[in-house]
Amino acid sequence: DTTVKQNPRYKLARVGKPVNLICSQTMNHDTMYWYQKKPNQAPKLLLFYYDKILNREADTFEKFQSSRPNNSFCSLYIGSAGLEYSAMYLCASSRGLGDAEQFFGPGTRLTVL
Amino acid sequence: GQQVQQSPASLVLQEGENAELQCNFSSTATRLQWFYQHPGGRLVSLFYNPSGTKHTGRLTSTTVTNERRSSLHISSSQTTDSGTYFCAIDRYVGDNSKLIWGLGTSLVVNP
Repeated sequence: DTTVKQNPRYKLARVGKPVNLICSQTMNHDTMYWYQKKPNQAPKLLLFYYDKILNREADTFEKFQSSRPNNSFCSLYIGSAGLEYSAMYLCASSRGLGDAEQFFGPGTRLTVL
Repeated sequence: GQQVQQSPASLVLQEGENAELQCNFSSTATRLQWFYQHPGGRLVSLFYNPSGTKHTGRLTSTTVTNERRSSLHISSSQTTDSGTYFCAIDRYVGDNSKLIWGLGTSLVVNP
């Protein structure tokens, strides 16, 4: 099973409110990633967990948090949503780093009003 | 500059026509993936293809690593092929590795 699952598929949030997105995989992959995808743009890497180590991109460091309570689950947390957070959020996983194929989930479409 | 360049930016075909999508990259890649994004947003990995040629169904990917280019060939296109095709390469940043993405090729296949 090469499925990466994401919940919810659609999320409506108010400006200033927190948002928590969930991702899971049962492939025992070491690495889980979160990307932000806006229309007509390439996916933007926000952060990734390699095992228990969180790596956040420098330009999104303060905007997103994440946790990985076990190998299968990874969350993306926005403490205070702004209009600019409206996007598709894609979770991916891979076995290891560097030369491993990434498998993507169906995405969560977040709309902030 | 853009490290992964895809061409064309957009393409419109009639059903049954073939398509050739190009990806050129500026640095040595240890990993290259072609992705297809459904119009609804889901991203699907098509090929993980560091070098050589791979086939799946009507799709063929050919990567020439030392020339830093890859192509995705779609034969006998169908309306369900419509969507955006992304090329991404792996690049090490310090001890970590990340995918560097092209801007995609938007494909529309008309009936």
